[in-house]
This record gives sequence, C-alpha cells and structure tokens, in this order.
Amino acid sequence: DQQVKQNSPSLSVQEGRISILNCDYTNSMFDYFLWYKKYPAEGPTFLISISSIKDKNEDGRFTVFLNKSAKHLSLHIVPSQPGDSAVYFCAAREINFGNEKLTFGTGTRLTIIP
Amino acid sequence: NAGVTQTPKFQVLKTGQSMTLQCAQDMNHNSMYWYRQDPGMGLRLIYYSASEGTTDKGEVPNGYNVSRLNKREFSLRLESAAPSQTSVYFCASTKIVAAFFGQGTRLTVV
Repeated sequence: DQQVKQNSPSLSVQEGRISILNCDYTNSMFDYFLWYKKYPAEGPTFLISISSIKDKNEDGRFTVFLNKSAKHLSLHIVPSQPGDSAVYFCAAREINFGNEKLTFGTGTRLTIIP
Repeated sequence: NAGVTQTPKFQVLKTGQSMTLQCAQDMNHNSMYWYRQDPGMGLRLIYYSASEGTTDKGEVPNGYNVSRLNKREFSLRLESAAPSQTSVYFCASTKIVAAFFGQGTRLTVV
C-alpha cells in the first residue's frame, strides 16, 4: 500500500517557467512533509520541508504548499533553471512510539528545457 | 564533515553469495535507515533503526538483516543474494525531520 504517491513519473518545463511537482498521501499521522532532489549517481539531498500545521513554506525559488484536507502537497520551482533537472522525491514523516520513520514516493523526473 | 558514508560504492555478487553493506554517520543522529531504489519504484524502506540497539522492518525486509552496531554504524546484510536484490542501496540518518543520505551502493547480483 503506497502511502505517499507521486503520480507523474516525468515532467518537462521550459527554462524560466514554473515547475509544479505533486504528491498525495493517505496516512493522517504524517506530521512533516519533505522534498528531496536526486542527481544520477548521487544520494538524495534535502530541499525543503513543511509541518502539517502549516500550508505554505518558502525558500528562495522553492515553495511547498500543503492542502491537508485533500492530503496533497506540491512543490513549486520558479523560475526553473537547467540545474533543476533531477528526480524529485516527496517524503513524509511519522512518529510511532517515539520512533521516527520516513516514507518516500516513487519520484518525478523533472527536465528543464533550455 | 563526512556526513553519511557507505561502502562499497559498487559490488557484483553471484547468486547465493553473502555480503554486508556498511554505513556510518558522524552527525550524532539517532535514526538510521536503509532504502533501495529501483526504476519506477522510488525509494523503498528496507529496515530502520530509531536508536542504538533497536531495529524495525520497513516495506521490503525479506532477504535482508541489519545490525545497529552503535550510534554511528548501521549495516545491511544479504545472507544469500538473489537477482531480485539487484538495486541501488542508500543509507540515511535523521535527527530532526530532514534525512541525510549516503552516496549509494550499486549492487548487481548475477
């Protein structure tokens, strides 16, 4: 049962335009949501996070929006740059009996077209 | 600051062979994880350890064992490798929310 879903395997966006990556989740116990970026042959790197009690978090060109009622979050990148081409993973955290656990989605490959 | 270090980076095994993937972190994090990444499947959790001396199964634990040797080290063992275990393996650690990943181990089982 996939608790974190990224339904778009790939996305192509023109340089300078906005990239929007989407993620859906099913578990109401998730308290933090995170986005990671992954280049080939490297480990994922943390981009931005949002607490479940907020609906927006912004960091430079990256903004994450959370719609808790719809169990949906999105990552906006504006303006998109060629260096943003990578695989983006959505992740969600839950705490069970003090134990922290991260669950990842399947990823979306973003390609920025110059 | 090394962060999360995984060894080896590449490995080829024959079916039935065993091996241990090593992971160490120097950030004094409590939680450590092992994930595997397969095309179209994203990052799937194999095992995790919330603290030294504790381990729990993740989404795909079959065929693997783990050991949290101390706070720094979390190893993943394949007792009898199978071709289905061909994958890229990532170790990660977390303290507050964000996870930090190693560079990955590309394992091929032939």
